[in-house]
Amino acid sequence: EDQVTQSPEALRLQEGESSSLNCSYTVSGLRGLFWYRQDPGKGPEFLFTLYSAGEEKEKERLKATLTKKESFLHITAPKPEDSATYLCAVPNDYKLSFGAGTTVTVRA
Amino acid sequence: EAGVAQSPRYKIIEKRQSVAFWCNPISGHATLYWYQQILGQGPKLLIQFQNNGVVDDSQLPKDRFSAERLKGVDSTLKIQPAKLEDSAVYLCASSLTLSGANVLTFGAGSRLTVL
Repeated sequence: EDQVTQSPEALRLQEGESSSLNCSYTVSGLRGLFWYRQDPGKGPEFLFTLYSAGEEKEKERLKATLTKKESFLHITAPKPEDSATYLCAVPNDYKLSFGAGTTVTVRA
Repeated sequence: EAGVAQSPRYKIIEKRQSVAFWCNPISGHATLYWYQQILGQGPKLLIQFQNNGVVDDSQLPKDRFSAERLKGVDSTLKIQPAKLEDSAVYLCASSLTLSGANVLTFGAGSRLTVL
């Protein structure tokens, strides 16, 4: 069954146009929610881990938040270099289960 | 520190042929993972090693896929015979320990095209 669902599938933004990505999960007893960034032709690169509802983490123009059922990745005033696929993932036993990702394209 | 090394980066083969991918994890990382990422999808775990033992291979199509990590360091993933649906990027990742809450460090991946 699907444990991680991301939306939207794709997001096209103008430079400076803030937006949010959603990651909803169904795993019980969450032991962390991970956000990764994947550039074309590269492997995913770790961004954040969130462990409890209400937690927030920031890195440059990115801010990740967590509730009991979902996480949001907010992109504030994005730049073209923020263009990438953003993946969220949750641990299931010893495995990390990934969502399908949101592909963000930021136009100058 | 050096990252996760993978080779080859690209491989094109005919269906029913065989192919092998190699991965060298970050030094000292006990856990090694092979993921399959089909275009437009998230990575799907194929097999997970802790040192040289298999922790999880429930998603590995064992009739055609095999993997080994004989000395607990580098690993090889083999596909024989390949099918069209095996076209994907094969990502290797490593982490310090077995915990699912660990951060994974990924290699750049090996892109397989099966014709």
